[in-house]
Amino acid sequence: QVQLKESGPGLVQPSQTLSLTCTVSGLSLTNTSVSWIRQPPGKGLEWMGLIWSNGVTDYNSTIKSRLSISRDTSKSQVFLKMNSLQTEDTAMYFCARSWVPDYWGQGVMVTVSS
Amino acid sequence: DIQVTQSPPSLSASLGDTVTITCQTSQNINKYIAWYQQKPGEAPRLLIRYTSTLESGTPSRFSGSGSGRDYSFSINNVESDDIARYYCLQYVNLPTFGGGTKLELK
Repeated sequence: QVQLKESGPGLVQPSQTLSLTCTVSGLSLTNTSVSWIRQPPGKGLEWMGLIWSNGVTDYNSTIKSRLSISRDTSKSQVFLKMNSLQTEDTAMYFCARSWVPDYWGQGVMVTVSS
Repeated sequence: DIQVTQSPPSLSASLGDTVTITCQTSQNINKYIAWYQQKPGEAPRLLIRYTSTLESGTPSRFSGSGSGRDYSFSINNVESDDIARYYCLQYVNLPTFGGGTKLELK
């Protein structure tokens, strides 16, 4: 069965870089795309970006300058890196399969605070 | 970027009611809209894609319609399990979520 699981630090200091990993099972990264979506506490969903099955990436224009998505197909992992973090980046971060996210991870909560 | 305006932000319904949520996009999205349900503490669940195509496991009381820039999502005969927040997502190009609608019991 398809499963995705996010992992990463729960706390990041302002101005630092966030690094998250999405480990997938039950699917091949060479056959499917993976999206990242975030949700600040009590607020709505924001699509951040994705990596296509061919390794090409697309990003939300509002955070494009700070965001990078990459992958290691041999490890079935997708990586998110976002720099210059601020308190408004505090959110639950989800990875999900596909351009129209259907299978989702449980999410990882990231707090930006000193 | 395509903007998505979802309304209403919140909705109060009685069991058995029919409720409707709308999303208006800033440009024609050619029916490339999906609808999600999110319950507290959970990841969103995809209910409908391409305006009206129900995902496997989505109850038939959920439906979607629309074209161009205007889309709607309805729940017929609201059940207690439907209490959640609902989001639309346009995906004709870079995806954008609507702001969400919180469905509560009256």
